[in-house]
Amino acid sequence: QVQLQESGPGLVKPSQTLSLTCTVSGGSISSGGYYWSWIRQHPGKGLEWIGYIYYSGSTYYNPSLKSRVTISVDTSKNQFSLKLSSVTAADTAVYYCAREQRITIFGVVSRNWFDPWGQGTLVTVSS
Amino acid sequence: QSVLTQPPSASGTPGQRVTISCSGSSSNIGSNTVNWYQQLPGTAPKLLIYSNNQRPSGVPDRFSGSKSGTSASLAISGLQSEDEADYYCAAWDDSLNGSWVFGGGTKLTVL
Repeated sequence: QVQLQESGPGLVKPSQTLSLTCTVSGGSISSGGYYWSWIRQHPGKGLEWIGYIYYSGSTYYNPSLKSRVTISVDTSKNQFSLKLSSVTAADTAVYYCAREQRITIFGVVSRNWFDPWGQGTLVTVSS
Repeated sequence: QSVLTQPPSASGTPGQRVTISCSGSSSNIGSNTVNWYQQLPGTAPKLLIYSNNQRPSGVPDRFSGSKSGTSASLAISGLQSEDEADYYCAAWDDSLNGSWVFGGGTKLTVL
């Protein structure tokens, strides 16, 4: 079955750019019908969706983070990546990658959900 | 402050039936399907219920979901100690050009 694994630095300095990669195994990132998302969870808090990318490269970001987020895809490596710029302590969180499955009817999304998720990676923003 | 509202905690004894509510609005639950995720301590969230009431393969039928209007519920019957976890509801929100929104999570304690 499809598995996702996050990787990247666990410590980032304030004002710098956080960079993470999600490696997909057991399936192709280029499979249609799937969107590849980043989601974060602040310590002891709930979940916050960051954005998604389709294998074609089209992206969509959470409006609250849009100005600082870039998600890219490398289909040759079966990976997608997250860059979050100008980080502060408020960006300290566990970052998850996840696959979003969509069912569309006549081009309209009728239902969608996240499955599976990566194990998550803690990124701490501190000098 | 989460867009979807869940009670912060719930509890029950083994064998009991517990329900967790998730309240939203017309732009999210009212117009899109609801999913539920289970997060066991120290692990990543796992899909528990999708499309309001569908169980992925491998999820026991003790877990069930429902939706009515702008609210949804997760029910767990025959409560077991391994059900102790955080539970999150989620839905796509059509406002502000769209975004996934989550509930704040409910910590379920098995007494």
